[in-house]
Amino acid sequence: KQEVTQIPAALSVPEGENLVLNCSFTDSAIYNLQWFRQDPGKGLTSLLLIQSSQREQTSGRLNASLDKSSGRSTLYIAASQPGDSATYLCAVPAQGAQKLVFGQGTRLTINP
Amino acid sequence: DAGITQSPRHKVTETGTPVTLRCHQTENHRYMYWYRQDPGHGLRLIHYSYGVKDTDKGEVSDGYSVSRSKTEDFLLTLESATSSQTSVYFCAISEVRAGTSGSLPYNEQFFGPGTRLTVL
Repeated sequence: KQEVTQIPAALSVPEGENLVLNCSFTDSAIYNLQWFRQDPGKGLTSLLLIQSSQREQTSGRLNASLDKSSGRSTLYIAASQPGDSATYLCAVPAQGAQKLVFGQGTRLTINP
Repeated sequence: DAGITQSPRHKVTETGTPVTLRCHQTENHRYMYWYRQDPGHGLRLIHYSYGVKDTDKGEVSDGYSVSRSKTEDFLLTLESATSSQTSVYFCAISEVRAGTSGSLPYNEQFFGPGTRLTVL
């Protein structure tokens, strides 16, 4: 059974710092990995999706990497801003491509 | 914006009453999902649909039923609501797409805004 773990559960950093969020999964035979952002009281917003043969994806100040052999993904946020404060979740498919298994998320706070 | 709406957005009901939540999409996506999100448990899949009248259970399906009579609508019903079903409910949609550059098929999910349900 696929399990996804995100460490740390919460992170607080000053504005302007570069930071890394971690995601690990137990079954490396994944089709893809997806990173989401969730603001308080809101739904999930898809940030990046890394396909099975890809090593990384970039969008603006965000860079997600994938190492299937070690069961790990990282989300790198450059030059953090207070507006980046949110909960970040990663998810991988289970039992084929149709269903996702989510980590518990990392709650990120960027202090001005 | 993946064209997903959920209704109602907030609902307070009493134990034992039936409740139906609606998810509506405008882009004819094949797959639709219902999740619940609770502190300490994260997001958990309740039911999902892979086409009209085609549904399957997720990991926390007890006490819930679903129906999909049209591509665009996926209904979640609590036949007799209990306090343990107080939660935030999210609908999601996806398509399985062919991978690029040697990748396997992938499934990118997009989420609706959520429904906050309180069962007293």
